[in-house]
Amino acid sequence: ETGVTQTPRHLVMGMTNKKSLKCEQHLGHNAMYWYKQSAKKPLELMFVYSLEERVENNSVPSRFSPECPNSSHLFLHLHTLQPEDSALYLCASSSGSSDYEQYFGPGTRLTVT
Amino acid sequence: AQTVTQSQPEMSVQEAETVTLSCTYDTSESDYYLFWYKQPPSRQMILVIRQEAYKQQNATENRFSVNFQKAAKSFSLKISDSQLGDAAMYFCAYYGSNYKLTFGKGTLLTVNP
Repeated sequence: ETGVTQTPRHLVMGMTNKKSLKCEQHLGHNAMYWYKQSAKKPLELMFVYSLEERVENNSVPSRFSPECPNSSHLFLHLHTLQPEDSALYLCASSSGSSDYEQYFGPGTRLTVT
Repeated sequence: AQTVTQSQPEMSVQEAETVTLSCTYDTSESDYYLFWYKQPPSRQMILVIRQEAYKQQNATENRFSVNFQKAAKSFSLKISDSQLGDAAMYFCAYYGSNYKLTFGKGTLLTVNP
């Protein structure tokens, strides 16, 4: 695998379910990001991790819980989601949290029913 | 806060012809970076071209070039000799002193054979 990978690519979950999104980067980067992409809206930065420490949390509801166990892996744990949380969730990585060049994964299409 | 505006939600171009996508941004900073990202239907966001604000020369990458007008805060993308594979969502993005990428809403480009 090369670049940034995300699993699953598609996820349908009920509002009472608990699920996790996974991101893995194979680029030797030190910073990882979660973005939310909704139709007709700009990408919204959710979380930033640098060297496995969270450095940014953009007022994201607590039903989204990130985890970064090491510099190559990033998770987004989901619970008690709302239908308006349905979106494409993109993971990205960069060599550092102040590095402008970010590399994106293919995204997970999440549908909350 | 910086904002990025893409005024064209959709554009279309005939194969082999040239198309220009518009982007304007608002900032009080003098040092920043601007990007165009491409997101094909498979959804992997790819960096197309980058422009450093301190450089007067417009960036070029093969068939892709930009028209960077710093005073007007304008950053358009020109695609020459359009190909079917150029069909995608194109996002303009700004990177400044807050070390975050700020995206526009995107322009959906259709290439007609």
